[in-house]
Amino acid sequence: GAVVSQHPSWVICKSGTSVKIECRSLDFQATTMFWYRQFPKQSLMLMATSNEGSKATYEQGVEKDKFLINHASLTLSTLTVTSAHPEDSSFYICSARDGGERGNQPQHFGDGTRLSIL
Amino acid sequence: GQNIDQPTEMTATEGAIVQINCTYQTSGFNGLFWYQQHAGEAPTFLSYNVLDGLEEKGRFSSFLSRSKGYSYLLLKELQMKDSASYLCAVKNSNYQLIWGAGTKLIIKP
Repeated sequence: GAVVSQHPSWVICKSGTSVKIECRSLDFQATTMFWYRQFPKQSLMLMATSNEGSKATYEQGVEKDKFLINHASLTLSTLTVTSAHPEDSSFYICSARDGGERGNQPQHFGDGTRLSIL
Repeated sequence: GQNIDQPTEMTATEGAIVQINCTYQTSGFNGLFWYQQHAGEAPTFLSYNVLDGLEEKGRFSSFLSRSKGYSYLLLKELQMKDSASYLCAVKNSNYQLIWGAGTKLIIKP
């Protein structure tokens, strides 16, 4: 089945550091990947849709200069949290879909990245 | 606006059956997904419904009624490992996925 790999799984760093998270589709090509954020005991919040070869589409309220997304190939999207602060601490999850938006293919999720900013 | 409603939390007994309901109001409909999410982990896909009726997959079944904007996930022969959150998500007319807040299912021995 479709496998999505996300790395790193856990990051602890100082305030002001920039953190890069990678999301890879291992056995399929993904023209579109999704980045979510999840706070404890809350649902998934879509941050942005990453499109291969073009700019990401950000959801309302998400700062694009703060959360840089690059989707340079059909199997890799990266999210960089720039100058991270404690309020950016959260569980970040990526997903990818094997097929177009009109199909019945589900999104497959990476294992998530737990980000803790001290 | 668009919204998905699910109960916040449910409790059931090991070996029993539980039904988790999901009602939705979205701008159009292009399919409904159920995901399972264990604490601290990413969601995993369980089922997909786009036509009315019941889809069965082993111990799990999912039902859809488009006219009522309603779906349920039925879990049979509950096991302790089924303790998790269950997320309902609807794909709207723009093919965007709208997520429910999830139902936390607690299984007791």
